Amino acid sequence: EDQVTQSPEALRLQEGESSSLNCSYTVSGLRGLFWYRQDPGKGPEFLFTLYSAGEEKEKERLKATLTKKESFLHITAPKPEDSATYLCAVQAASNYQLIWGAGTKLIIKP
Amino acid sequence: GAVVSQHPSWVICKSGTSVKIECRSLDFQATTMFWYRQFPKQSLMLMATSNEGSKATYEQGVEKDKFLINHASLTLSTLTVTSAHPEDSSFYICSASSSSGGTQETQYFGPGTRLLVL
Repeated sequence: EDQVTQSPEALRLQEGESSSLNCSYTVSGLRGLFWYRQDPGKGPEFLFTLYSAGEEKEKERLKATLTKKESFLHITAPKPEDSATYLCAVQAASNYQLIWGAGTKLIIKP
Repeated sequence: GAVVSQHPSWVICKSGTSVKIECRSLDFQATTMFWYRQFPKQSLMLMATSNEGSKATYEQGVEKDKFLINHASLTLSTLTVTSAHPEDSSFYICSASSSSGGTQETQYFGPGTRLLVL
């Protein structure tokens, strides 16, 4: 069964304290892995798409990496405005639908 | 680029009435649009997928006669909640992609519509 698991459920960091969020997946043929950021009461905001193991993408303080079993979202020197829920989703080769993880709620304290 | 809008952003209605939510892709043509529902502190739940000019495909457990979806153009899809009841109160989010759904195209999301049925 295709499945996406995100960890931790919640993460509290001090401003400037770097860390990583994990997205583990099992899927029968990966078409793509997606990272989104969601603020309370808003729709998800697209961050990255990764297609194959070894691929990396960066945007400001965020860097996403992908292996055959998991993806990491590294956040470097975070700021309070990086506080949000980060969602991971995968698209299987057999189905265009996105399989979603439960998300990681990130809180950055000033 | 890749901006998706939704209207209204929030709506309050009486039980038994119908509510229409619009989803528009502002700067690209959306061959496929998706409608999601999100409960508090939970992830997104796909309700249905619609391709322009075709009937929507509903997920198991979603009543197609209650949640009417129309995707009449490449930039507009509508979700109508018919005879709404309090249990339909939720956060509804649409997304759009520029593929037919069979490729790696990214889904871009609207800001969501919060529905409260009294």
